[in-house]
Amino acid sequence: GENVEQHPSTLSVQEGDSAVIKCTYSDSASNYFPWYKQELGKRPQLIIDIRSNVGEKKDQRIAVTLNKTAKHFSLHITETQPEDSAVYFCAAILQGGSEKLVFGKGTKLTVNP
Amino acid sequence: DTGVSQDPRHKITKRGQNVTFRCDPISEHNRLYWYRQTLGQGPEFLTYFQNEAQLEKSRLLSDRFSAERPKGSFSTLEIQRTEQGDSAMYLCASSLNSWDEQFFGPGTRLTVL
Repeated sequence: GENVEQHPSTLSVQEGDSAVIKCTYSDSASNYFPWYKQELGKRPQLIIDIRSNVGEKKDQRIAVTLNKTAKHFSLHITETQPEDSAVYFCAAILQGGSEKLVFGKGTKLTVNP
Repeated sequence: DTGVSQDPRHKITKRGQNVTFRCDPISEHNRLYWYRQTLGQGPEFLTYFQNEAQLEKSRLLSDRFSAERPKGSFSTLEIQRTEQGDSAMYLCASSLNSWDEQFFGPGTRLTVL
């Protein structure tokens, strides 16, 4: 079925620590995996994405890794700052004739100063 | 503002009434998506368009929901005979093509009394 599981649902870290959020997906043909950040009362915004022909992608303090064999991908935020506090959603474009984005349930990240 | 816009931002209606929301995507974007988001959940796919063609509808979308994109530019989402369970944030997103970044609008928050 179409499913993206995301863990943990909440994550609290101290400023400067790293944060890791993991997602698994059900469709082995999935090939596009974006991560969105949503601050309270605001729209989701893309922070990084990865395609299936790449195992890792990095953008400053943010990185995403993809393991297609195990069907999971992870978001890594290093040197966290209070402004990183938000809800983070992973998503996957599932194949099988559909091109819709399926989102995980989100991780509420709190960075304590 | 050249981003995705939605109107209205808030809508309060009584159960049984019809409501219509509008989405204006980024002008050169071919794809337009509608999502629904409830508190504590990720966006849930409703439907999407490639230009004026509606290519997919979620199985969760009841017959009371209809969407159009008549000229391949703006889109409308209509909900007939609203129910309290329809209360949610309705998000629109657009992208240049499939597998490209989806840019979200600010959403329309619907409250059904």
